[in-house]
Amino acid sequence: GAGVSQSPRYKVAKRGQDVALRCDPISGHVSLFWYQQALGQGPEFLTYFQNEAQLDKSGLPSDRFFAERPEGSVSTLKIQRTQQEDSAVYLCASIVSGGPYEQYFGPGTRLTVT
Amino acid sequence: GESVGLHLPTLSVQEGDNSIINCAYSNSASDYFIWYKQESGKGPQFIIDIRSNMDKRQGQRVTVLLNKTVKHLSLQIAATQPGDSAVYFCAETLDSWGKLQFGAGTQVVVTP
Repeated sequence: GAGVSQSPRYKVAKRGQDVALRCDPISGHVSLFWYQQALGQGPEFLTYFQNEAQLDKSGLPSDRFFAERPEGSVSTLKIQRTQQEDSAVYLCASIVSGGPYEQYFGPGTRLTVT
Repeated sequence: GESVGLHLPTLSVQEGDNSIINCAYSNSASDYFIWYKQESGKGPQFIIDIRSNMDKRQGQRVTVLLNKTVKHLSLQIAATQPGDSAVYFCAETLDSWGKLQFGAGTQVVVTP
């Protein structure tokens, strides 16, 4: 079956613009995570959804970052008034159910803020 | 594409040799661990996992060892192949929902 997909794969934004990054998890997967990966580093947790409920948003770096998953499937990560330090790869991952099991990652969206 | 592995520790391995990648994890309460492989321009790919009630688990050409006493995890790759060249991350779960904390990563370079 299809894996986790993300779009766009690449996004260039001018500083101050708003961006929206989309994640399509594996069909039927209950849990969805967003991570941010800076160049040369491991992914860092941003936020977690179980179905449509956002249960943990402790990793969001500022109130410019907002995530939603209104119907419990597709999720969108929105960044308002982008800054250069927001440049990174944004990864989405899903798990079949709640709990610590194998997370399947998408290919990521590389965001470059100029 | 850009390298995932800039500034990461590098392990150079000759093709056909065995590789051992080490990782120190941070939380003694973590009970689930995963090794991921990440190639340039791609998302992390699951390799193998282990729960804290085990100290060893084997997959196809890979073995993960867990030493909870010293909070150490290792990944052994048998008969390393050119396709194994990538950055390898260990990750531990921080909560019951599965939130992952990743280690620093190791760049593996397989030479012919």
